[in-house]
Amino acid sequence: RKEVEQDPGPFNVPEGATVAFNCTYSNSASQSFFWYRQDCRKEPKLLMSVYSSGNEDGRFTAQLNRASQYISLLIRDSKLSDSATYLCVVRKAAGNKLTFGGGTRVLVKP
Amino acid sequence: DADVTQTPRNRITKTGKRIMLECSQTKGHDRMYWYRQDPGLGLRLIYYSFDVKDINKGEISDGYSVSRQAQAKFSLSLESAIPNQTALYFCATSDSDGSSYNEQFFGPGTRLTVL
Repeated sequence: RKEVEQDPGPFNVPEGATVAFNCTYSNSASQSFFWYRQDCRKEPKLLMSVYSSGNEDGRFTAQLNRASQYISLLIRDSKLSDSATYLCVVRKAAGNKLTFGGGTRVLVKP
Repeated sequence: DADVTQTPRNRITKTGKRIMLECSQTKGHDRMYWYRQDPGLGLRLIYYSFDVKDINKGEISDGYSVSRQAQAKFSLSLESAIPNQTALYFCATSDSDGSSYNEQFFGPGTRLTVL
C-alpha cells in the first residue's frame, strides 16, 4: 500500500462549479500536511498547508481528518486556470522529508 | 531570475554513460533535496542534504550519488545510467527554522531520457 494515496482523476469540472477530492495517508505519525499544485511539465508549488482545524485560502478549503487519516481539498467557483495536478504531501515528525501522493488531475472546462 | 535553477533542462543519454545534474539556489537555504517523478508515482526522494557535506539517502538512492560542496549547490550523479532512470528530476530547497510547515521550493526540473 502506498504511504499517500490519491485518486488520479481526471476530475472534469465545469467552470464555476465546485470540486472536492481526498487523499489518504497510512502513517499515523504524520505531522504536517500540504497541498501542492503542479502544472503540466512544471515544478510543484505550494498551494496551501493543511492545519488541524481546517483552513481556507480564497476559493480553496483544506480539511484534515486525523481519525480517518485523510485530507481533503475543495475548490469553489472553479476557474480555467485551476486546471492542474494537485499533489497531496505529508511530512513525518523528523526533519523535513516529504512524502508525495501521485496527484489528482483536475480539468476545468468552459 | 529563478531562485532554484537546474542544468541541464533536458538530456538524452545512452545506457552506461555517467551523467551529472546540477542544482543551484540563491535562497540561502541550508536544506536541499533531489527527487524523481514518474507518471502516476508522485515525487520520490533520492537524496537530501541538511548542510554542506551532509548527505542522507532517501527512498530510492540506489544507482545515484550526490555531492554538496557548497551551500548553494547540490549535484546528482548517475554513475552508469540505465533506461529505468528515465524520469523527470527535481531539485528542491527549504529553510531550517524548525517550523513543521517549512515550504520546499522546487527547481524547474530536468527531463532525462536514457536510451
